[in-house]
Amino acid sequence: DAGVIQSPRHEVTEMGQEVTLRCKPISGHNSLFWYRQTMMRGLELLIYFNNNVPIDDSGMPEDRFSAKMPNASFSTLKIQPSEPRDSAVYFCASSLYSGRNTGELFFGEGSRLTVL
Amino acid sequence: AQRVTQPEKLLSVFKGAPVELKCNYSYSGSPELFWYVQYSRQRLQLLLRHISRESIKGFTADLNKGETSFHLKKPFAQEEDSAMYYCALMGTGTALIFGKGTTLSVSS
Repeated sequence: DAGVIQSPRHEVTEMGQEVTLRCKPISGHNSLFWYRQTMMRGLELLIYFNNNVPIDDSGMPEDRFSAKMPNASFSTLKIQPSEPRDSAVYFCASSLYSGRNTGELFFGEGSRLTVL
Repeated sequence: AQRVTQPEKLLSVFKGAPVELKCNYSYSGSPELFWYVQYSRQRLQLLLRHISRESIKGFTADLNKGETSFHLKKPFAQEEDSAMYYCALMGTGTALIFGKGTTLSVSS
């Protein structure tokens, strides 16, 4: 298994542009998490899904951010419009949920976003 | 509110020296605590969890509910331990919340 797959690995864009980050969880995992990593704030939980349903999106910074999980094998995180303060590494992680979270997350390699 | 505090951004030690990475948490119930590690050019991965009470790569961590701490310890640091370490908390019905991380640098 290739593990959690994220794309793109690097994205450089200009302020105001739309950014879409993609994630393919490990096959069989039914929980998916989006985290953002910055030097100042560390790893912040943005949103997570159980069985494709968003459970907690209280970490999404503002309405410019949206996330979807149309099926068990794909999720997107969209920023529209993007701003320089959105520059960060965005991580996707998946785990196996069987009535409760296990705490064992499998992370992707991250998508490094730079907004100029 | 849930919160994880790692007071040190960087910890530098010499090879063979003891290591203690500090972690304090704030949570009103009974949380589960974890340590995650990210080695250079590798993915963030689970190192250990308090309920397992195990030693991984020589590291141990004891949950101290009185002090609300979950410090990570190793008696003799190795150069390959150099990495970023994150303490994480999971409350009832919630996802993992991470601290800001501590970079451990072990030099010879």
